[in-house]
Amino acid sequence: NAGVTQTPKFRVLKTGQSMTLLCAQDMNHEYMYWYRQDPGMGLRLIHYSVGEGTTAKGEVPDGYNVSRLKKQNFLLGLESAAPSQTSVYFCASSYSSQKYFGPGTRLLVL
Amino acid sequence: GNSVTQMEGPVTLSEEAFLTINCTYTATGYPSLFWYVQYPGEGLQLLLKATKADDKGSNKGFEATYRKETTSFHLEKGSVQVSDSAVYFCALNPDTGRRALTFGSGTRLQVQP
Repeated sequence: NAGVTQTPKFRVLKTGQSMTLLCAQDMNHEYMYWYRQDPGMGLRLIHYSVGEGTTAKGEVPDGYNVSRLKKQNFLLGLESAAPSQTSVYFCASSYSSQKYFGPGTRLLVL
Repeated sequence: GNSVTQMEGPVTLSEEAFLTINCTYTATGYPSLFWYVQYPGEGLQLLLKATKADDKGSNKGFEATYRKETTSFHLEKGSVQVSDSAVYFCALNPDTGRRALTFGSGTRLQVQP
């Protein structure tokens, strides 16, 4: 059981570039989430999904898009990166109130 | 809306000292409460949880009691170790269908030998 995995681990982007972060889980969880972590602000929910083919906005969705084409994968896209999106991104999955987190992706936008 | 407030860090303690990290919350209904721990360079791990009032969550010597009357879920440990150095997050899961967590801002704990 790999649990929740994220790729890449680290990425540097220039303003305006696009990229996709991949989250994969092998626990057959229905719920998946994308959070961003910024200093002094804890984790904030970007988007989430309650099942394959469904997505919904969280607390800070602007500038991001997501897709859940397969149950085990949850993709987070940045169409035109901005310096304000410099952050650490965490994916999580769950079948109940307990969440399982990935190791994070550190993104730097110059 | 829902919110979680934690004491600001960093908290610096000597090994074997007593630890308290305060957490209070605002929520409608009857949320579940959690403490997560993040070790350097790693993701978040569930430390303990409590799902109803007066429940006590415990793990690895850490404890927290769900106090509805004071809307608090303070984390305690009687004797900290250097290996406990990490960032601790208090979080709540509202009793809605979305099951997304609301996190506090985190408290960094540094334990010195």
